[in-house]
Amino acid sequence: EAGVVQSPRYKIIEKKQPVAFWCNPISGHNTLYWYRQNLGQGPELLIRYENEEAVDDSQLPKDRFSAERLKGVDSTLKIQPAELGDSAVYLCASSFGRSSYEQYFGPGTRLTVT
Amino acid sequence: AQSVTQLDSHVSVSEGTPVLLRCNYSSSYSPSLFWYVQHPNKGLQLLLKYTSAATLVKGINGFEAEFKKSETSFHLTKPSAHMSDAAEYFCVVSDFFGNEKLTFGTGTRLTIIP
Repeated sequence: EAGVVQSPRYKIIEKKQPVAFWCNPISGHNTLYWYRQNLGQGPELLIRYENEEAVDDSQLPKDRFSAERLKGVDSTLKIQPAELGDSAVYLCASSFGRSSYEQYFGPGTRLTVT
Repeated sequence: AQSVTQLDSHVSVSEGTPVLLRCNYSSSYSPSLFWYVQHPNKGLQLLLKYTSAATLVKGINGFEAEFKKSETSFHLTKPSAHMSDAAEYFCVVSDFFGNEKLTFGTGTRLTIIP
């Protein structure tokens, strides 16, 4: 069974530039999560989707971050414009059903903003 | 509100000796608790979970953890460390009857000495 796929794995951009991350969850998983993991910290939830609906986006900085999950499968997370403080690893996870008890994580995208 | 405190940011043990990674939690409700492991350049992987069943939980790769409500602890142990156990370990809490959001600790880096 294929796991959660994320691309790109690494991205280096200059501040004020836009950037987008893509996630393909495990087939059949209707719940999708985006996390941000700062250096030396645990992941923090940015947004949670159930199918195509964003059910928890309270931690998403909406002035510069946006996300979408068209058709309830793949998802894209965008930052525009990027700031130096956005440098982090962005993780995507998915789970079956509404339960958050067994989330499967992708390898992440390491973003460096210079 | 829920939180976890991982008491050690870095633990070093010799190969073949026991491993102890400490975690204390705080939760307003009946908590669910997890341990995840993160190997370099790999996605987070669930080691084990406690969801109000048996207090001694066995996970993958010989790891286990014991839920102690009186001590609000959920320490991770393994009788004999292997070189492949070297990784970052995260203790995670979720409110069973709350919003099911996962809250990660700051992580413990486990180093295995040959």
